[in-house]
Amino acid sequence: ETGVTQSPTHLIKTRGQQVTLRCSSQSGHNTVSWYQQALGQGPQFIFQYYREEENGRGNFPPRFSGLQFPNYSSELNVNALELDDSALYLCASSFNRHDTQYFGPGTRLTVL
Amino acid sequence: GESVGLHLPTLSVQEGDNSIINCAYSNSASDYFIWYKQESGKGPQFIIDIRSNMDKRQGQRVTVLLNKTVKHLSLQIAATQPGDSAVYFCAEKNLGNSGGSNYKLTFGKGTLLTVNP
Repeated sequence: ETGVTQSPTHLIKTRGQQVTLRCSSQSGHNTVSWYQQALGQGPQFIFQYYREEENGRGNFPPRFSGLQFPNYSSELNVNALELDDSALYLCASSFNRHDTQYFGPGTRLTVL
Repeated sequence: GESVGLHLPTLSVQEGDNSIINCAYSNSASDYFIWYKQESGKGPQFIIDIRSNMDKRQGQRVTVLLNKTVKHLSLQIAATQPGDSAVYFCAEKNLGNSGGSNYKLTFGKGTLLTVNP
């Protein structure tokens, strides 16, 4: 059974650019949640996708958007990058909306 | 509002000792709690969870205790090993908040556990 995978591992962008991060959910899981983890902090919820629809959103601006595909993989898009967007972006998948969330290794985004 | 915090930012123990990591929560409606372990450069790894209708749950070398009266939970690690060194997070969720925020986990800042050989 393959766990949650994320790509790329690391990414460096400049302020104002756009970025797309990708996540493949664990086999059999239909729900993907995205979190932002700043250095020294706990993960902060961005949004969740369940069966290709957004199922809930945290306190993040609209320039953070996402998609979920028929195979339940997901993308996180961030437009107009700001310096404070530098963080570890974590994807977690679960069997269903309310089940245990299993995390991927994360994508380290640095905005210069 | 929801918030999950930890009492100590760091904890240092000797190999073989038992470790206790504490967590307080403020949302009395929270009914599901999870402990995650995060090693440097990795994503959080699920350790154990507990629902609010339980006071205690045991896993392999780990025990989680939940005290709903004082809104406190703890993670006990028996015979701590160097491989247990990591940041430990408690997270909470409100499973019953239909139409609200029952989809997300709320994390605290974490406790850094260091195991000395």
